[in-house]
Amino acid sequence: NAGVMQNPRHLVRRRGQEARLRCSPMKGHSHVYWYRQLPEEGLKFMVYLQKENIIDESGMPKERFSAEFPKEGPSILRIQQVVRGDSAAYFCASSPRSTGGAEGEKLFFGSGTQLSVL
Amino acid sequence: GQQVMQIPQYQHVQEGEDFTTYCNSSTTLSNIQWYKQRPGGHPVFLIQLVKSGEVKKQKRLTFQFGEAKKNSSLHITATQTTDVGTYFCAGRVNTNAGKSTFGDGTTLTVKP
Repeated sequence: NAGVMQNPRHLVRRRGQEARLRCSPMKGHSHVYWYRQLPEEGLKFMVYLQKENIIDESGMPKERFSAEFPKEGPSILRIQQVVRGDSAAYFCASSPRSTGGAEGEKLFFGSGTQLSVL
Repeated sequence: GQQVMQIPQYQHVQEGEDFTTYCNSSTTLSNIQWYKQRPGGHPVFLIQLVKSGEVKKQKRLTFQFGEAKKNSSLHITATQTTDVGTYFCAGRVNTNAGKSTFGDGTTLTVKP
C-alpha cells in the first residue's frame, strides 16, 4: 500500500511563474490537507479538501493560491505568479473517511515538495 | 482563531537524559495528536489522545492529555540519538474531521 505521494520533490521557479504541486493520497483516503512549512518553523494549515469539494480554505491566501481535489487524479495546489516569500516546503497529508476515533483522523504525510523561488 | 503553543522551541540533552515538551491550546480540544519529524523528513504520526487525563505509553515515550483537554505533554525517558528530530503536537477541535492545528514544534538534539 503506497503512502502519500507528492511530486515533484523539488521545484524551482522564477518570480512570476506558476507552481503546481501534486499530491496523491493513500489508497482509500478521501480527505486531503495541505500544510506549509518554513525552515525551523511549524506546519501551517492551508486547505482541507474532500473529493471535488473544498471544506476549509481558511489558511490559504486569497490571491494567487488555489487548490483542487478532482474526482479522478491527484490533488493540486497551484500558486500563480510566485514570489520569493512562497519558498517553503509544502506537505500534503491524507486521512481515511472520518468515522471518529483514532484511525479515522490520523494524518499520513507525503515527503513534501520543496519550492524555491529565484 | 485556535492557537496551539509548544515549549520549549529547542532542547539539547546528553544521551541518557530525559526530555519533555509541552503543548497548550487556547481552546478545548476534542483530541490531540503527536507527530515526529526527522531532519529532512516528513511528520510521522506517533499517537492520539482523546480522553480527559489520558496517559499513554510507547516504550520510553509517555504522552499525557490534561484534565481540561487544553494541554498535553510528551516525555521521553533516557533519550537516545535516534530520538533526534522535531516533535509536534496537533490539536483538533471537531471530532468529525476538520483541520488539525499544529504547534511550532520542539526540536530535540541528543549529544552522544
